[in-house]
Amino acid sequence: EAGVAQSPRYKIIEKRQSVAFWCNPISGHATLYWYQQILGQGPKLLIQFQNNGVVDDSQLPKDRFSAERLKGVDSTLKIQPAKLEDSAVYLCASSQDRGTEAFFGQGTRLTVV
Amino acid sequence: AQSVTQLGSHVSVSEGALVLLRCNYSSSVPPYLFWYVQYPNQGLQLLLKYTSAATLVKGINGFEAEFKKSETSFHLTKPSAHMSDAAEYFCAASSGGYQKVTFGIGTKLQVIP
Repeated sequence: EAGVAQSPRYKIIEKRQSVAFWCNPISGHATLYWYQQILGQGPKLLIQFQNNGVVDDSQLPKDRFSAERLKGVDSTLKIQPAKLEDSAVYLCASSQDRGTEAFFGQGTRLTVV
Repeated sequence: AQSVTQLGSHVSVSEGALVLLRCNYSSSVPPYLFWYVQYPNQGLQLLLKYTSAATLVKGINGFEAEFKKSETSFHLTKPSAHMSDAAEYFCAASSGGYQKVTFGIGTKLQVIP
């Protein structure tokens, strides 16, 4: 069974630029999560989708972050414009449903300079 | 809201020695508790979970954790450390299932030959 795929693995951008991350969850998984993991901290949930609907985006900085999962399969997370403090690893995870185990991708490491 | 405290951001043990990683949670309701492991440049992998069944939970790779309600603790142990156990370990909690999971800051485990 293929795991959660994320791309790119690494990205370096200048502040005020835009960036987008892509996630392809495990086939058939209805729930998709985006987490932000800042160095020295645990992952923080940014947004949770159930199919193509948003379940929880309470910790998503909506002035600069956006995410979509239009067809209920893959998802993109965008930052526009990026700030220095957005430097982090962005992890995508998926689960069969809301109450089941979440499987994580390898993450995208973003460096904002 | 849940909060998770991991005591010790870095722990060093000798190969073959006992591994003990500490985790305390705060919750007004019985939580779901998790331990995840993260190897360098990898996503998180679930080691074990507590979901209000048996208080002693066995996980993968010889790890286990004990839920102690009176101490609000969920410490992770392994009788004998192996070099391959060197990684970062995250304790996490939620008030239900895999949603709204709150992670601790992580403990980096170093295994000394």
